[in-house]
Amino acid sequence: DAGVIQSPRHEVTEMGQEVTLRCKPISGHNSLFWYRQTMMRGLELLIYFNNNVPIDDSGMPEDRFSAKMPNASFSTLKIQPSEPRDSAVYFCASSLQGQGARTEAFFGQGTRLTVV
Amino acid sequence: AQSVSQHNHHVILSEAASLELGCNYSYGGTVNLFWYVQYPGQHLQLLLKYFSGDPLVKGIKGFEAEFIKSKFSFNLRKPSVQWSDTAEYFCAFTGFQKLVFGTGTRLLVSP
Repeated sequence: DAGVIQSPRHEVTEMGQEVTLRCKPISGHNSLFWYRQTMMRGLELLIYFNNNVPIDDSGMPEDRFSAKMPNASFSTLKIQPSEPRDSAVYFCASSLQGQGARTEAFFGQGTRLTVV
Repeated sequence: AQSVSQHNHHVILSEAASLELGCNYSYGGTVNLFWYVQYPGQHLQLLLKYFSGDPLVKGIKGFEAEFIKSKFSFNLRKPSVQWSDTAEYFCAFTGFQKLVFGTGTRLLVSP
């Protein structure tokens, strides 16, 4: 397996533009997490899904942020409109969780977002 | 609320010194515990994990951690650090599905 795949790796956009970050989890994993990492706030959990269903989105900073998981192999994190304070590295991670098999979370390479 | 506390934000050591990073979690149920490492400019990678069994867990690169249930702790140790261990270290746990991270500890190892 290629691991968790995120795209793009780098994104530079102007304030007010819509930004969409993409994530392909590891095949067979049933949990997916979106994190944001900044120097000031460290690693923050934004939202996580289990079996494609959003379980906890309490970390989503505001209504400008939205996340979807239309199927088991794809998730998006959208920011509309983007602001300079959204500049950060966004990580996607996936894992297998359940009564039987379980794994640790595997992280993608991250998307470095810069909003100017 | 589920949370993880890492006691040291920055640690500076000389090569060959011993390392211990503290981690305490807050959760009343069964937990799975992890230590991740993030080298500069890279993503998080797993160092070691605890699901069940022997509370002393050995990971990659000579790291180990001990789960002490009564203290809600999962401290990371390495007997002799190397310059290449310079990185940020994150403690994490899952209770019911949610994966919660600590704030991280930046380790600088001087040659």
